[in-house]
Amino acid sequence: GENVEQHPSTLSVQEGDSAVIKCTYSDSASNYFPWYKQELGKRPQLIIDIRSNVGEKKDQRIAVTLNKTAKHFSLHITETQPEDSAVYFCAATATGGGNKLTFGTGTQLKVEL
Amino acid sequence: DTEVTQTPKHLVMGMTNKKSLKCEQHMGHRAMYWYKQKAKKPPELMFVYSYEKLSINESVPSRFSPECPNSSLLNLHLHALQPEDSALYLCASSPQFGANVLTFGAGSRLTVL
Repeated sequence: GENVEQHPSTLSVQEGDSAVIKCTYSDSASNYFPWYKQELGKRPQLIIDIRSNVGEKKDQRIAVTLNKTAKHFSLHITETQPEDSAVYFCAATATGGGNKLTFGTGTQLKVEL
Repeated sequence: DTEVTQTPKHLVMGMTNKKSLKCEQHMGHRAMYWYKQKAKKPPELMFVYSYEKLSINESVPSRFSPECPNSSLLNLHLHALQPEDSALYLCASSPQFGANVLTFGAGSRLTVL
């Protein structure tokens, strides 16, 4: 089955700095890679996702890059703000029924003033 | 309606009690999921229903019993739970089971005494 590793487990940045979270996956059949943000006591919410037919996707201050050859993908947050503080989970799955979403272990991001 | 609604938000039960968690969505999604989440850990898949049929049971103990009465509702019946079952139980849905965006509910915080 799929295995997703995520680093770092904790990340502390100053407000305005950039933050990068990295994930690697094991199953070359995986082709869908979402990122979820979970604030304390709240539900996980999708913030961005990427499919294997593209290498990069941006949405305002958030971007995700995918390297299929190396089997890794990364989340980039620019101009971080205090409200970006949360736990971020990467995930991976292969298209098609019967394929489960495998989550990474999570990164606790803290944006300090 | 773009939400997944879960009730109750909080539940405290003894080890001999029987209770149920409920989940509802009206987005026309045909896949519904139960996840268990411990503090600072990723969501852990328990069950998947696809078109109201149980597609995946991740070897969950029989003290957890899922039910999908119709395409909009998902229940999780709880009986003879253990203190280690205390966790946040998240319901999610997606248009189809596969590489689709998961929409999570806010969760039911369960405490087993």
